[in-house]
Parts: sequence; C-alpha cells; structure tokens
Amino acid sequence: NAGVTQTPKFQVLKTGQSMTLQCAQDMNHEYMSWYRQDPGMGLRLIHYSVGAGITDQGEVPNGYNVSRSTTEDFPLRLLSAAPSQTSVYFCASSYSKVAGDPYEQYFGPGTRLTVT
Amino acid sequence: LAKTTQPISMDSYEGQEVNITCSHNNIATNDYITWYQQFPSQGPRFIIQGYKTKVTNEVASLFIPADRKSSTLSLPRVSLSDTAVYYCLVGAYSGAGSYQLTFGKGTKLSVIP
Repeated sequence: NAGVTQTPKFQVLKTGQSMTLQCAQDMNHEYMSWYRQDPGMGLRLIHYSVGAGITDQGEVPNGYNVSRSTTEDFPLRLLSAAPSQTSVYFCASSYSKVAGDPYEQYFGPGTRLTVT
Repeated sequence: LAKTTQPISMDSYEGQEVNITCSHNNIATNDYITWYQQFPSQGPRFIIQGYKTKVTNEVASLFIPADRKSSTLSLPRVSLSDTAVYYCLVGAYSGAGSYQLTFGKGTKLSVIP
C-alpha cells in the first residue's frame, strides 16, 4: 500500500491564482480530511469528508473548496490564492468508526504552498 | 471539543525516560486521548491512544488517571531519533463515523547526545 499520497510536494502561486492540491489513499478509508500547518503552530482542520459525496467544514474553511467523488480521492481547491494561505497542507485518512472505537489518522507527506 | 495544554518544549539526554504531561480538564465522557509524533517536513504519525488507566505499545506508554483530566506520554530510553514535536489530542465522536480532533501547538522534544 502507498498509504496517503499528496501532489505536488511544493508549489508557488501568485495572488489570485487558483489551484488544486491532490490527495489519494489506497486503504479504502471512508474518512478523509485536510489540515494546514503554519510555522510553529499545530494543525488546523480545513475540511473533512466521511464518505464519497459527503463533505463538511472544519475550523478554517474560508477560501477552500473540496469534493469527494470517490473513496480514494479528496482534492482541495484554492479558489483565489492569498498570501495568508501560505502554509503546509496535510491530507489524512482513517477508517470510519463508531462511538467507542479507538481512532487513528494516517497523514500524507504534505504540500508546501507559497503564495506571493 | 476539549482543549489540551502541554509544555511548549522539553530537553532530555539520550537514554533517559521522558514523560510529557497533557492537561485536558474538560474532557468528555466519550473522548479518547491520542498522541501523535511529527518530524520536520513530515506529517504527524500516530503513537498511542487510550481511554483510561494505562496503555503500552512497542514505542510508548500512556498513563491516564481516574479523573482523566490529564495524561502522560512516557517514552522509554529516548534516542536522538525521538527528537520531534509531540501532540496530545482529545477526540470527540461527532457522528456519521467521524472524529473531530484538535491539534494544539504540541511539545517540542529535543534529545541531547
């Protein structure tokens, strides 16, 4: 298994440009999520999905869109990039759980995005 | 979601046992306590998870007192490769098969030769 993969690894955008960060997992996980991590900070949840066709907002969703057409893929779209979106973006996935089950997320290697 | 508080940084010499304590005073009944490790330029990696008392695996132990308002991650005999940021998370089941987890700033552990 490749686990969680993300592309690209690095990206530089100009203000106002749009782009899509790709995330894929081959573990048949139902739950997928996107986080951003700013220097010296923890991870903040942007959007998440509990299965194909179902997405919801996290803590910092503004400026980002997601969709989930398949179990494997969960792309993150930046609609109009701003310097405040300069960050490292991590995608994660996990098994769908029921209440009382332990919980483990598997993270991708990250995409380092710079917006100038 | 329960908020967690943990030390910003810790230093330890190689071969010592390291204990990182996390406080989570408003933990809910259904919450699990989870610890992640993150190396520079990598995504976080799951270390250990528990609900109460003590949990041990091949890399760490997790001690949770009866009131569950705090927890302690114990790393036995650390090496230079254990230098990383360690995050304590308290997870709430949000329904529809998903957990919402909040990452704090973590504890930066530096292991000294």
